Amino acid sequence: NAGVTQTPKFQVLKTGQSMTLQCAQDMNHEYMSWYRQDPGMGLRLIHYSVGAGITDQGEVPNGYNVSRSTTEDFPLRLLSAAPSQTSVYFCASKRGSNQPQHFGDGTRLSIL
Amino acid sequence: AQTVTQSQPEMSVQEAETVTLSCTYDTSENNYYLFWYKQPPSRQMILVIRQEAYKQQNATENRFSVNFQKAAKSFSLKISDSQLGDTAMYFCAFLPNNAGNMLTFGGGTRLMVKP
Repeated sequence: NAGVTQTPKFQVLKTGQSMTLQCAQDMNHEYMSWYRQDPGMGLRLIHYSVGAGITDQGEVPNGYNVSRSTTEDFPLRLLSAAPSQTSVYFCASKRGSNQPQHFGDGTRLSIL
Repeated sequence: AQTVTQSQPEMSVQEAETVTLSCTYDTSENNYYLFWYKQPPSRQMILVIRQEAYKQQNATENRFSVNFQKAAKSFSLKISDSQLGDTAMYFCAFLPNNAGNMLTFGGGTRLMVKP
């Protein structure tokens, strides 16, 4: 049982480049989320999904897109990377609304 | 909107001693859930303990326990018999009942356990 798998673990981009952070879970969880963690701060919610085909914005959605075509996968897209998006990104999933999150190991993203 | 405050950016404790990490939150909700997560240097986010607001009994998980004071909106974490492996960032988090993914985190407390 792999849990929540994020790829890549590290990435360096140039300003203006685009990329997709991958997230997959094998626990058949309906709820999935993307967070960013900046130095000295807690995690902030970017986008989330409560099931395949359903996504919504979190606290800091600007500059990011998501889609949820399957229960297992929830990719996060940066269309035009900016230095302000340098952060550690965490994907998480959970079985139900009031359940605790299961987190992936994070992706450290640097935008030059 | 809810806010979660962890007023202690850094703390240290001697191995085998007890330490308490503070967390306060602000909400108008009556039903909600509170969590403590541990983030060791490996960067993983690990659930430590979970408290349901409608339960008066404080949650415990082995050496970890909470002091939940609903009226004061306080949710502190006590670590007993501290171990070197407890060295990590600790985050308090708040989830309103049936709020889906709207989990709000505090800014974290960095705990160092000294030998």
